[in-house]
Amino acid sequence: DAKTTQPNSMESNEEEPVHLPCNHSTISGTDYIHWYRQLPSQGPEYVIHGLTSNVNNRMASLAIAEDRKSSTLILHRATLRDAAVYYCILRGPGAGSYQLTFGKGTKLSVIP
Amino acid sequence: EPEVTQTPSHQVTQMGQEVILRCVPISNHLYFYWYRQILGQKVEFLVSFYNNEISEKSEIFDDQFSVERPDGSNFTLKIRSTKLEDSAMYFCASSEARISNEKLFFGSGTQLSVL
Repeated sequence: DAKTTQPNSMESNEEEPVHLPCNHSTISGTDYIHWYRQLPSQGPEYVIHGLTSNVNNRMASLAIAEDRKSSTLILHRATLRDAAVYYCILRGPGAGSYQLTFGKGTKLSVIP
Repeated sequence: EPEVTQTPSHQVTQMGQEVILRCVPISNHLYFYWYRQILGQKVEFLVSFYNNEISEKSEIFDDQFSVERPDGSNFTLKIRSTKLEDSAMYFCASSEARISNEKLFFGSGTQLSVL
């Protein structure tokens, strides 16, 4: 089953852009790349997802490499409220399940 | 924005007792899920539910666990005889469909403490 690899932690200054990387070198052609985040003492929250093309929404942007073996979640201006654990998750046949399988994610700290 | 609501937010129980955790999914959603997160660990999938049947379950979801949609709005997780290791945050989620590009909406969770 395809897996993802993320750094354990990252830091960002408030109001600076943040690029959160994710490697998924064994992704299959029909797997979607999902990003969720979990604020302290909260349930996971959907951020964004994509298949091949870059995606933008009100929360973030998702940049997907041309070979799809990696992706980057971009928060354009980090705020203190963005301090959370960010999960990069594959969903689809190649991922082995349609369920969301959470890894350890990247803990983002935002410095005022 | 519509949200998934869970009650209670905290539940304390004695080992061996039955507990029922309640969830109200988003009204037009058809797929329902339970996840749990033991303190300091990953969020783990327990079970998915559609059309009044379990569609998928993990190894964690053994005979001590059951799920039910008793009416048109609630979705419940029952633990028949709680163990100390059942202490965790339990999250309910729902989605419109169960496909790869569908997003899940999670509730804020029920913190279960088994003494």
